[in-house]
Amino acid sequence: GAVVSQHPSRVICKSGTSVKIECRSLDFQATTMFWYRQFPKQSLMLMATSNEGSKATYEQGVEKDKFLINHASLTLSTLTVTSAHPEDSSFYICSARDGVRSPSYEQYFGPGTRLTVT
Amino acid sequence: GDSVTQMEGPVTLSEEACLTINCTYTATGYPSLFWYVQYPGEGLQLLLKATKADDKGSNKGFEATYRKETTSFHLEKGSVQVSDSAVYFCALSDQTGGSYIPTFGRGTSLIVHP
Repeated sequence: GAVVSQHPSRVICKSGTSVKIECRSLDFQATTMFWYRQFPKQSLMLMATSNEGSKATYEQGVEKDKFLINHASLTLSTLTVTSAHPEDSSFYICSARDGVRSPSYEQYFGPGTRLTVT
Repeated sequence: GDSVTQMEGPVTLSEEACLTINCTYTATGYPSLFWYVQYPGEGLQLLLKATKADDKGSNKGFEATYRKETTSFHLEKGSVQVSDSAVYFCALSDQTGGSYIPTFGRGTSLIVHP
């Protein structure tokens, strides 16, 4: 149980276009989802926290108009990178927390999405 | 605020050697502690966890003990394998902080040679 999927796993897009990444909890209800960005050989940088049905809370320094997060249902959150530029190329990872069934400190990670902007 | 400090890598070992990756933390509350593993090109997988002082988390031959007196959660394995090559992240989640936002260390790369 507690599986989180991400789609797509890899995406290549041209500079100036927008890209949407989906994060789904497959067998539980994700009351909270987190979006992370990971640069090569570095740790995870928390970008934002989203709770179902409410606006995401962005970390300091993360542009909310560039990284649009929608958590419309208890099983789906999306991250849209708008007007992507090469510096947005990175590995994006989501995680989900089941605040009902599991202890509130447990989170389950998706496999990540490799974004390359050319 | 909360923080996690891990030893810098890469850690390079021969197969069957002993492994220790140090992790210390600072937290305002009484956190739960975790080790995650990330294999190349993949997301993070929970390796083990401990939720209170003196708890020992274990999985796949790895162990870590929650030491409140030294605020540490060092990862150990008695005999590493080539397949253990990965990046290991120490993390905490502060249950009394109110926000439950996890805090990660910078990660330690482990390279195991045959």
